[in-house]
Amino acid sequence: DAGITQSPRHKVTETGTPVTLRCHQTENHRYMYWYRQDPGHGLRLIHYSYGVKDTDKGEVSDGYSVSRSKTEDFLLTLESATSSQTSVYFCAILWPPTGEQYFGPGTRLTVT
Amino acid sequence: GDSVTQMEGPVTLSEEAFLTINCTYTATGYPSLFWYVQYPGEGLQLLLKATKADDKGSNKGFEATYRKETTSFHLEKGSVQVSDSAVYFCALSDQPGGSEKLVFGKGMKLTVNP
Repeated sequence: DAGITQSPRHKVTETGTPVTLRCHQTENHRYMYWYRQDPGHGLRLIHYSYGVKDTDKGEVSDGYSVSRSKTEDFLLTLESATSSQTSVYFCAILWPPTGEQYFGPGTRLTVT
Repeated sequence: GDSVTQMEGPVTLSEEAFLTINCTYTATGYPSLFWYVQYPGEGLQLLLKATKADDKGSNKGFEATYRKETTSFHLEKGSVQVSDSAVYFCALSDQPGGSEKLVFGKGMKLTVNP
């Protein structure tokens, strides 16, 4: 168990509203990631972080921003949600001893 | 850029059938290769990995061999069980031995019937 939690686990919101998803880890891992999962696309990287205040864009970063003000929390914000952002969002951490990524349970977001 | 192509399915098998899920990749250098599994309602879990050519990863009866000459990492299991029903993802990292950034295939849904 890599100690990753995501909140909320489910959310329904309306187009145009801001939404923030939280990823929390308990073991001070340096690297954290946000992915989205969509049918026919697999998992695609949105943003990742390699330390406090150090973040970078992934493959599908348009419409998303992230923040990491402390090691344990990595926030994903949709400034103005759109229906195309309806998806399942997964957070992950990098486990240094093995170089493997471990995933949280996911957040199902529906934008109506 | 780096990419992964895998069978997309969905695939339905009977219990005890043989399973192969094809995965090929495009990458510069010497990537590490992974298979992740996602059981219904859960996040992804690492199933197995290989970090250099000719390495064989294995776990829970699944195996995959890193074939540099064919740029492939096909997943196999000799006898599937109902509990193997899940979505399977092939992935690569362009860092040898590590996975700071992963590129995923589109996933393949497997259903195993009793």
